[in-house]
Amino acid sequence: QKEVEQNSGPLSVPEGAIASLNCTYSDRGSQSFFWYRQYSGKSPELIMSIYSNGDKEDGRFTAQLNKASQYVSLLIRDSQPSDSATYLCAVNSRLAGNQFYFGTGTSLTVIP
Amino acid sequence: DTEVTQTPKHLVMGMTNKKSLKCEQHMGHRAMYWYKQKAKKPPELMFVYSYEKLSINESVPSRFSPECPNSSLLNLHLHALQPEDSALYLCASSHNSGTGETQYFGPGTRLLVL
Repeated sequence: QKEVEQNSGPLSVPEGAIASLNCTYSDRGSQSFFWYRQYSGKSPELIMSIYSNGDKEDGRFTAQLNKASQYVSLLIRDSQPSDSATYLCAVNSRLAGNQFYFGTGTSLTVIP
Repeated sequence: DTEVTQTPKHLVMGMTNKKSLKCEQHMGHRAMYWYKQKAKKPPELMFVYSYEKLSINESVPSRFSPECPNSSLLNLHLHALQPEDSALYLCASSHNSGTGETQYFGPGTRLLVL
C-alpha cells in the first residue's frame, strides 16, 4: 500500500515567518514529488515539483527531498496571509504508472 | 500553458437526472483523470485514461461513467446519483517531462445531488 503522510495541522505562523510543511512516503520506488496549494472551495494548484535529492527553490518556496529518508518538505519564507490554504503533498511512482498518491493535507494559517 | 478547463462550474441535479461533466486540455497531455473531493479530504482517484484508454477504475459505482472521445476531452456521465455523491469533481491531466510525470488540475465542478 502506498502511503503519503503529512504533519498534522492546523499550522499557524505569524506573517513574515517561515512555514515548514513535512511529508513522508512509504513507496521507495517513488520518483516524482509535488506540493499543491488548495484554497477553500478551489481546486489544487501545483506550486512545486521535485524529482531529485536536495533543494529546489522557486521564489519564496523551497522544496527539499531526501529519498533515503523518504521525506519531502516545503518551506515558505516570508509567509503572507495569502499563503493561508491547505497544502497537499503528492507522490508518483513510475511503477504506479499514471497514479498519484496524496497526503491528507496540512492547513496553514498565516496570521497578520 | 497548463490549463485544464471544466464545465459546468456548478451543477445541481436530482437523483433521477442524467448529466455530464466535461473536461478539456490542449497541452498534448496523454493521461487524464477524474477525482472526487469531499470537504477537508484529499482528492480521491476515480478514473485514469492513458492514451484515450481507460487504465484505472478505482471500483467506482456504475452510476459514474467516464468517456474519453479524444486525447483532449474527458467526460463523466452521471446517472441516478445519491446525495452522498455531492462533492467537488476534479479533472486533471499529466505529462512526462523527462524527469517525471507532472499533473495539473482543472478548476473543478461543484456537484450537489438533491
